[in-house]
Amino acid sequence: DSGVTQTPKHLITATGQRVTLRCSPRSGDLSVYWYQQSLDQGLQFLIQYYNGEERAKGNILERFSAQQFPDLHSELNLSSLELGDSALYFCASSSLIGSQSRQYFGPGTRLTVT
Amino acid sequence: TQLLEQSPQFLSIQEGENLTVYCNSSSVFSSLQWYRQEPGEGPVLLVTVVTGGEVKKLKRLTFQFGDARKDSSLHITAAQPGDTGLYLCAGHLGKLIFGQGTTLQVKP
Repeated sequence: DSGVTQTPKHLITATGQRVTLRCSPRSGDLSVYWYQQSLDQGLQFLIQYYNGEERAKGNILERFSAQQFPDLHSELNLSSLELGDSALYFCASSSLIGSQSRQYFGPGTRLTVT
Repeated sequence: TQLLEQSPQFLSIQEGENLTVYCNSSSVFSSLQWYRQEPGEGPVLLVTVVTGGEVKKLKRLTFQFGDARKDSSLHITAAQPGDTGLYLCAGHLGKLIFGQGTTLQVKP
């Protein structure tokens, strides 16, 4: 158990819909990261927040947005969903930032768009 | 085009065999990490290497960082069924860049 929790574990929705994925970081970790894992693209960094502020952006689509709240939990919002958005979405947290920081990954949310 | 190329993509071996997984790039990384991921779970960090030429050992696993900090390898000695999983290398370039992964199956 990494200490990072993600809900829901599974989500099935239709194209065009909007969903919200939730992540609670490890106690004390200020930094939250979101990743998407698909069979063809592998594990891709989407976005990072540090203490409520956006810190870094990766390959995140404009239809996707995220935020980190004062209690440090984070939400990833996916809208106008397409079939290709079906993937595993992971949240990770770390206490430090930088090249040697250790990220702890949650169990993921499996999103299926039909 | 992947920034980090892992090879092989799939490996199926018998218990007791040795294996090496490679992670190559044309970019220089400030650090490189190896993760193991099991089905239904998130990746778990195995090791971080930061110095060119560095070698780290974790029981039967040996990790090496290339002298130029562009490549790395993971060697497993006497593989066991419990080593089965997806092995991912990741380099830090302001954010973590992951390789496509190597799926390892160790048969008893």
